[in-house]
Amino acid sequence: EAEVAQSPRYKITEKSQAVAFWCDPISGHATLYWYRQILGQGPELLVQFQDESVVDDSQLPKDRFSAERLKGVDSTLKIQPAELGDSAMYLCASSSPGLAGAGELFFGEGSRLTVL
Amino acid sequence: GDSVTQMEGPVTLSEEAFLTINCTYTATGYPSLFWYVQYPGEGLQLLLKATKADDKGSNKGFEATYRKETTSFHLEKGSVQVSDSAVYFCALSDAYTGNQFYFGTGTSLTVIP
Repeated sequence: EAEVAQSPRYKITEKSQAVAFWCDPISGHATLYWYRQILGQGPELLVQFQDESVVDDSQLPKDRFSAERLKGVDSTLKIQPAELGDSAMYLCASSSPGLAGAGELFFGEGSRLTVL
Repeated sequence: GDSVTQMEGPVTLSEEAFLTINCTYTATGYPSLFWYVQYPGEGLQLLLKATKADDKGSNKGFEATYRKETTSFHLEKGSVQVSDSAVYFCALSDAYTGNQFYFGTGTSLTVIP
């Protein structure tokens, strides 16, 4: 069964360091999402791509976060510099909307970031 | 804007008890509605969905009916098992807003033997 791949699963870093997360969506899925999930809360959208184009990055803290999907396939989310409040699970998801409306989201296992 | 409000937890039930987790939504267009489940240490996975009014989604004994008149999508299961212990998220996606997904805050369920 096709899966969304994410790496690393766990990352511990010190504040002010740079971190990067990678996501490979299910083959053929044009839409890719990055979410941040703080412990005990629901996922919050950081950025949504349609192919290589950003559809929505209104909630992405652009002073320190960046995301790219250069060839419209895999994607990288970067944080520089990391802050204590960035500690969270970073979830990648992909989707292929169908004729009936929004397709379901397929999530990866997530990358858990701890900033010390 | 679009949003989802779901019942706060945590919820603790005995095995074989009846489960209801309430979810209501606000949407601009005609959204698709979803329930996702997150087991400890894992990502979210789709539990069930409904794409139009009066549709019933069902999976693994769980059911939810898309009620447009009450803007609700409550999750129910007649007899819960210990293995159902997880966090449940209600979500919507609205083509009117570019298929962006909106999630509720999650409801933690613990089922005790």
